[in-house]
Amino acid sequence: DQQVKQNSPSLSVQEGRISILNCDYTNSMFDYFLWYKKYPAEGPTFLISISSIKDKNEDGRFTVFLNKSAKHLSLHIVPSQPGDSAVYFCAVPDTGANNLFFGTGTRLTVIP
Amino acid sequence: EAGVAQSPRYKIIEKRQSVAFWCNPISGHATLYWYQQILGQGPKLLIQFQNNGVVDDSQLPKDRFSAERLKGVDSTLKIQPAKLEDSAVYLCASSLTRNRAATQYFGPGTRLLVL
Repeated sequence: DQQVKQNSPSLSVQEGRISILNCDYTNSMFDYFLWYKKYPAEGPTFLISISSIKDKNEDGRFTVFLNKSAKHLSLHIVPSQPGDSAVYFCAVPDTGANNLFFGTGTRLTVIP
Repeated sequence: EAGVAQSPRYKIIEKRQSVAFWCNPISGHATLYWYQQILGQGPKLLIQFQNNGVVDDSQLPKDRFSAERLKGVDSTLKIQPAKLEDSAVYLCASSLTRNRAATQYFGPGTRLLVL
């Protein structure tokens, strides 16, 4: 049973435009959320996180929004750049330990 | 700072053979994780170590998978005997502590193909 769901396997965006990646979770007890980015033949790298006490966290071109009532988070990338082309995973740590539950990922392609 | 190292990067074996993967975490990181990523899915935790002790191995198929971290640094994950469905990327990660906000740093993974 998936704890974290990313329903869009892929997304294509023109360079300079906004990329919006979405993630839904099932457990209302989750209180910390992360986004990882993965290039081919590399391991995932941490991108940005948000605690459930916030509804927005911003880091440069990357902003994560959390809607607790809808159990939904989204990652906004503005402006999108070709180097942002990668697979993006949302992840949540287990309520008991630092074991991450990952979504299935969304492959973002930024077209120059 | 050196990242998480893994070897080999690729391995092809036949079913029923055995295979071992090695991981060297970031220096000073007490917590080490092994994840399995099957094509089209997100990584799934197999086992978590805190120093040389197992914290969580509830998702490890113990009839065929084993892992150890004898000196609390390097770790080895073994599969014996391998099945076709074990074809996946095996990712090792480490974090400074077990704190839930501690960032996990991933190695490049070992891609296993079982024929």
